[in-house]
Formats: sequence, C-alpha cells, structure tokens
Amino acid sequence: DIQMTQSPSSLSASVGDRLTITCRASQSISTFLNWYQQKPGKAPKLLIYGASILKSGVPSRFSGSGSGTDFTLTISGLQPEDFATYYCQQTYSTPITFGQGTPLEIK
Amino acid sequence: EVHLVQSGAEVKKPGATAKISCKVSGYIFTDYYIYWVRQAPGQGLEWMGLLDPADGETKYAPKFQGRVAITADTSTDTAFMELSSLRSDDTAIYYCARRIVSTIMDYLDYWGQGSLVTVSS
Repeated sequence: DIQMTQSPSSLSASVGDRLTITCRASQSISTFLNWYQQKPGKAPKLLIYGASILKSGVPSRFSGSGSGTDFTLTISGLQPEDFATYYCQQTYSTPITFGQGTPLEIK
Repeated sequence: EVHLVQSGAEVKKPGATAKISCKVSGYIFTDYYIYWVRQAPGQGLEWMGLLDPADGETKYAPKFQGRVAITADTSTDTAFMELSSLRSDDTAIYYCARRIVSTIMDYLDYWGQGSLVTVSS
C-alpha cells in the first residue's frame, strides 16, 4: 500500500496568512494526487486534482504543486471559511489511500 | 445538478449487517464509478471500495475483502454498500462519491452527505 504522510499534523494560522501543507507519498505516484477540504459534520469537498488543477469554483487562493512523491497545498490569504481539515489522496494505485489530515485552526 | 443522496443513520448490534444506499441524480449513473469511503469518529478518511455501475465490476480494499459488498441498481440509479459481521470499530460515517478518471487523473468530484452507522450492543 502507498502511505501518504501529511505535515504538519495540525496548523494554527490567522486570517490573511499564507500557509503550505505538505503531502509525501511512500512511492512515486506521478500526479495522481488530490486535495480535499472537510468541515465539521460535512462531507469532504474537492479542491485540487491532478496535483495542481484547481476545481472549477474553488477560490484561486488555493494552489497545488508537486509530482512523484512530494506535493504541497498552498493557501494564499487565509479567509475565515478556510478553517477546516485538509486531506491529500493518492489515486495512483489501489488501495486508494489518504493522508491523515491536517486540521487548520484559527490562531 | 449532480446529487448523491444517502440513506439515513443506522444502529446495529455487533455481528449484524448494515446496508447503505446512495441514490444519484443529475448525470448518467452508468457513466461514472462510485467509491465508498468511511470515517470513524474523529479520524481520517478510509477507502473501502469502488463500483462500476455499467457492469457491476467491483474492487475492494483488502481490509474489507470478504465483509463488504458494493452493488448497483441501474433501474433506480442507486448504489449500495453492505458491510457484514459488524464490530464496534465499524462505527463510522460512510460516504459514497462519484469518481472522475482519465489517463492522467483520478478524483472524487461529488460526495453524498454521509450515513452514520453505529455499532453497539
């Protein structure tokens, strides 16, 4: 199984901050890497797919990069509605696996 | 507009079977795979398996092999996930999601609202 490791394990930030969440795969997954946002009591929502493609309707302050084993999600100019948990997901091979999640809290 | 609407919460005893439905609308059911993902309380996301509604082909995570069955009823555009021999650690929210796949990408673009299964004696 491909292990996905996110860092940091949790994050505290302020409105307006720029931050980066990292996701590392235990083996190369090309660009089969997706990012989801989940708010309490809600289903996950797709933000970025193919490592760097922003889903239509997602604010441009979200961006993704990387290929192979190392990936990043960057949020430039945090907004109050961005405080949530973020998950990476690899779809290169089954079993599909997710990172452990990075909760983003208000400082 | 695409919607995936799941069945309601269930309470089951250990050893029982839970069956959750996922009714889709707004697109052609047989054109897209369905994934099932679960989330235990306060925990992360865990992939359980996938279904091709066009031909019923399935693939399951090894962890659930033998206990899970994912099926489709194309007459009602509904997918089902059945988990048997339930244990307390199967208490979780279960999600269905629509899969988009191509040669260079593979992701879940729409999700159901989730169905809580509580396993308790």
